Amino acid sequence: DGGITQSPKYLFRKEGQNVTLSCEQNLNHDAMYWYRQDPGQGLRLIYYSQIVNDFQKGDIAEGYSVSREKKESFPLTVTSAQKNPTAFYLCASSNTESSYEQYFGPGTRLTVT
Amino acid sequence: AQSVTQPDIHITVSEGASLELRCNYSYGATPYLFWYVQSPGQGLQLLLKYFSGDTLVQGIKGFEAEFKRSQSSFNLRKPSVHWSDAAEYFCAVVLPSGYALNFGKGTSLLVTP
Repeated sequence: DGGITQSPKYLFRKEGQNVTLSCEQNLNHDAMYWYRQDPGQGLRLIYYSQIVNDFQKGDIAEGYSVSREKKESFPLTVTSAQKNPTAFYLCASSNTESSYEQYFGPGTRLTVT
Repeated sequence: AQSVTQPDIHITVSEGASLELRCNYSYGATPYLFWYVQSPGQGLQLLLKYFSGDTLVQGIKGFEAEFKRSQSSFNLRKPSVHWSDAAEYFCAVVLPSGYALNFGKGTSLLVTP
């Protein structure tokens, strides 16, 4: 079955540590996205990539970094510079012909203490 | 400023009753419009979308939405809710020239017996 996988489902880290969240898709989609979700805040765009080896900052990119070395993969690193990293992180993908129809992964809940 | 508003943070309906969730947008041009549903701790699933044409669109799970240009609204409806409809619902918009979805803050639906 085609889809988007995010791992792990739950992630715990100590403050000051960098952590990388995985996102893989086998939908052959060109575009991939990372969103952050906080209670009552909806989803906010962190980074997006429309093609391999290229990505752009979203609305809240500070403290995050990404890479897009393969079409299927778009990992997100939450760095120690992110002041409030505890959140639910969602990855999504879409194809270029209908780039607005985004398919979402199951999410990773990151807790930093 | 461009914005998406879901006026109701929480809504409670009885099982079998009708449902309407509100979504208003403020954009210079008519955007593309979406409704997504999210079960607790899960990713988002696309319910329906509006790009152009017939202003009443049908989606999955028995949902429909009506686009009203004069009111800048895209309200989601269901004639008879089921207990399994309890979830968080998000309205999202994007301009045809845009690249990523702009989400409302969501409406949490509780279904009572």
